[in-house]
Amino acid sequence: SYVLSQSPSVSVAPGETARIYCGGHNVGSKSVHWYQQKPGQAPVLVVYNDTDRPSGIPERFSGSNSGNTATLTISRVEAGDEADYYCQVWDSSSDHVVFGGGTKLTVL
Amino acid sequence: EVHLVESGGALVQPGGSLRLSCAASGFTFSTHRMNWVRQAPGKGLEWVSYISSSGSTIYYADSVRGRFTISRDNAKNSLYLQVNSLRAEDTAVYYCARYVADSGDYSDFWGQGTLVTVSS
Repeated sequence: SYVLSQSPSVSVAPGETARIYCGGHNVGSKSVHWYQQKPGQAPVLVVYNDTDRPSGIPERFSGSNSGNTATLTISRVEAGDEADYYCQVWDSSSDHVVFGGGTKLTVL
Repeated sequence: EVHLVESGGALVQPGGSLRLSCAASGFTFSTHRMNWVRQAPGKGLEWVSYISSSGSTIYYADSVRGRFTISRDNAKNSLYLQVNSLRAEDTAVYYCARYVADSGDYSDFWGQGTLVTVSS
């Protein structure tokens, strides 16, 4: 079955840029979606279809996807961005939704 | 405003059963696909099951196939997950999520979850 890999943690200072990576075999051929989850809360969609933002999500959140890596970029990081971030794809070969293991973003 | 409210979670013994429910409002439930996703304590998100808008197409994660059954009642704007033969590793918060399938397949709205604890 298809596997998405994420680094367990990323740390950045406020105002800096955070990049969270999601690796998978030829993931660039799939649509990647990103969710933010704060402690005790449900996940929130922050980027869909590689690069699109739902209404209400700040422009500071952006995505890209090419080759074997998809990237969620958070510019001008704020303390409120501290959360777990998950990437997700649909694997048509198995008819399964697949999540990455999640990356914990710490704002120093 | 889209609203999803899960219920039915409880403490249950290994081998036991539960029926989880998800009440939907604020959108036309009958035209939307739906998912169940779970999260074990301190762990990541794990997809559980998918159901099409009419209920005619259903998929399950390998870890639950044969034990869990997803269903929906469009007249009642409700989604269900019947969970049988529960194991300790099924302990998790279970989320229902609205599913969108356009050029990609993703969940745009999530409920707050219901906790299932499997323990003797």
